[in-house]
Amino acid sequence: ETGVTQTPRHLVMGMTNKKSLKCEQHLGHNAMYWYKQSAKKPLELMFVYSLEERVENNSVPSRFSPECPNSSHLFLHLHTLQPEDSALYLCASSQDWRGGGTGELFFGEGSRLTVL
Amino acid sequence: GESVGLHLPTLSVQEGDNSIINCAYSNSASDYFIWYKQESGKGPQFIIDIRSNMDKRQGQRVTVLLNKTVKHLSLQIAATQPGDSAVYFCAETYDKIIFGKGTRLHILP
Repeated sequence: ETGVTQTPRHLVMGMTNKKSLKCEQHLGHNAMYWYKQSAKKPLELMFVYSLEERVENNSVPSRFSPECPNSSHLFLHLHTLQPEDSALYLCASSQDWRGGGTGELFFGEGSRLTVL
Repeated sequence: GESVGLHLPTLSVQEGDNSIINCAYSNSASDYFIWYKQESGKGPQFIIDIRSNMDKRQGQRVTVLLNKTVKHLSLQIAATQPGDSAVYFCAETYDKIIFGKGTRLHILP
């Protein structure tokens, strides 16, 4: 148990569907992250929020829309996805985001997304 | 661009032997390095870290070595056990965290 909980663990959706991934951290951290993990590729940083403000957005297509209502919750809203978006989406948190992410990341177990 | 890579995608080790997983990084300004372990069906978990002002750090059964001259990082696991089966990632940090692709460690009985 890492203190970061992601739901759902598995999601299958069609290209016209709208769904959301949810992440909750119970660690009192100030920074939260979305990563994409595809087979045989390094972890790809998608979004970073620090104290509920987005501090990084790595050229992610607009069909992915993050939301951070408070420092404990992070959402990733999905719409009109493509089959190549199928991947494991990992949420993480860290104590602080200091423009460099120094310090340990605590990851959730991920949401396995399949786009048909 | 800058990247962190691992030398081998897969490593097979006999149970009880020591494992050495290697990683090369490219940014000489990186000042903090972490090894993560990712078991099947789980997210990555922190194993051990090291700052650039050190060349060695030991944990429980794990040791990280940092050679800044050749920009090389390694993770040594002593007396490898079945529970060590996982994918191991290195990550370097300067102004952002960059992850390597990972090495899958197989434990042979």
